[in-house]
Amino acid sequence: NAGVTQTPKFRILKIGQSMTLQCTQDMNHNYMYWYRQDPGMGLKLIYYSVGAGITDKGEVPNGYNVSRSTTEDFPLRLELAAPSQTSVYFCASSYGQGAYGYTFGSGTRLTVV
Amino acid sequence: DAKTTQPPSMDCAEGRAANLPCNHSTISGNEYVYWYRQIHSQGPQYIIHGLKNNETNEMASLIITEDRKSSTLILPHATLRDTAVYYCIVRVGRGSTLGRLYFGRGTQLTVWP
Repeated sequence: NAGVTQTPKFRILKIGQSMTLQCTQDMNHNYMYWYRQDPGMGLKLIYYSVGAGITDKGEVPNGYNVSRSTTEDFPLRLELAAPSQTSVYFCASSYGQGAYGYTFGSGTRLTVV
Repeated sequence: DAKTTQPPSMDCAEGRAANLPCNHSTISGNEYVYWYRQIHSQGPQYIIHGLKNNETNEMASLIITEDRKSSTLILPHATLRDTAVYYCIVRVGRGSTLGRLYFGRGTQLTVWP
């Protein structure tokens, strides 16, 4: 049982490049989330999904896109990377809402130069 | 809008109980109190949650005041590995705010040998 797996762990992008952050979970959780964490700050929600084929914006969605074609996978796409997107990105999943805890991945540290 | 207030830092001697306070004076009747911790930029780790009653698990105890406006996370015998940032979060049980785990800056707990 691997939990939530994120790849890559580290990445350096040049301004204007694009990339996809991968996230997969093996717990059959319906709910999945993408957060970003800037240095010294808490986490902010980028996008979330309540099941395959259903996604919605969080607090800071600009510059990102997501898709959810399967229950297991929830990739985050960065188009035209900007220095403001330098951050640590965390993917999480949960069985449901309300009284259920989240399981987080180990994060992807992204630097845009 | 984190909806919670925590001290920025606390210290605790190894082997002693660590008591981390949290104020959530605007909490609504259907909002749970969650605690997570983040060890050195790893993904946040779920600790415990509660609605009204005190809760205990293998990691910690959660004490919620009768008016639910504040709570305390108790680590009964703190170890060096408990050094982390601890986040207190309130979250609705269901509805349109799915995914809104508002992470503030949390409390940096340092356990000293």
